[in-house]
Amino acid sequence: AQSVTQLGSHVSVSEGALVLLRCNYSSSVPPYLFWYVQYPNQGLQLLLKYTSAATLVKGINGFEAEFKKSETSFHLTKPSAHMSDAAEYFCAVSDRQGGNEKLTFGTGTRLTIIP
Amino acid sequence: SAVISQKPSRDICQRGTSLTIQCQVDSQVTMMFWYRQQPGQSLTLIATANQGSEATYESGFVIDKFPISRPNLTFSTLTVSNMSPEDSSIYLCSVAGTAQGYFGPGTRLTVL
Repeated sequence: AQSVTQLGSHVSVSEGALVLLRCNYSSSVPPYLFWYVQYPNQGLQLLLKYTSAATLVKGINGFEAEFKKSETSFHLTKPSAHMSDAAEYFCAVSDRQGGNEKLTFGTGTRLTIIP
Repeated sequence: SAVISQKPSRDICQRGTSLTIQCQVDSQVTMMFWYRQQPGQSLTLIATANQGSEATYESGFVIDKFPISRPNLTFSTLTVSNMSPEDSSIYLCSVAGTAQGYFGPGTRLTVL
């Protein structure tokens, strides 16, 4: 069974500071991994995804994530936070067992940007 | 990337009624998924919908409460039956295959 753990339900960073949102996964097979962002009262937007190509994945809005198999991690980073980054972020995993690509989501991390 | 649309975008319904949510994709996809996001919570998978076969439901979700149709490779519906206030959530559809990872905009349901 696959699972995702997001450490820190709330993260606050100053504008211009590094953003680091943590995600650890558990999967019995090489996974696909995803990061999503959800702004208040809006839908889910795909930030980036890892599908077993390059381990460093670049996404939209300046975000990137690195797949580290040895650490079973897929942390999301952005070098310099912007006020518009304030949102809820979800990490998700798909283990593709039997061709089923359903996603299992973490509990989410609310990112607050301090002016 | 796949373009996924949902109807309605939001609705307010009375207890005991049913609502059918539509999901349309702009390309043919193998699997479609229906998720629920309860207020302030993460997303939980309700079921997987394959064309030409019955949907596969996750633990805690049953066909009588959430019947699903998948008449072709670009369309699916989810019905929320005999609604109660606990069904107030955002319902989202998603696709797999080459378009994996993309979600529709969601249907925000409020049950009074």
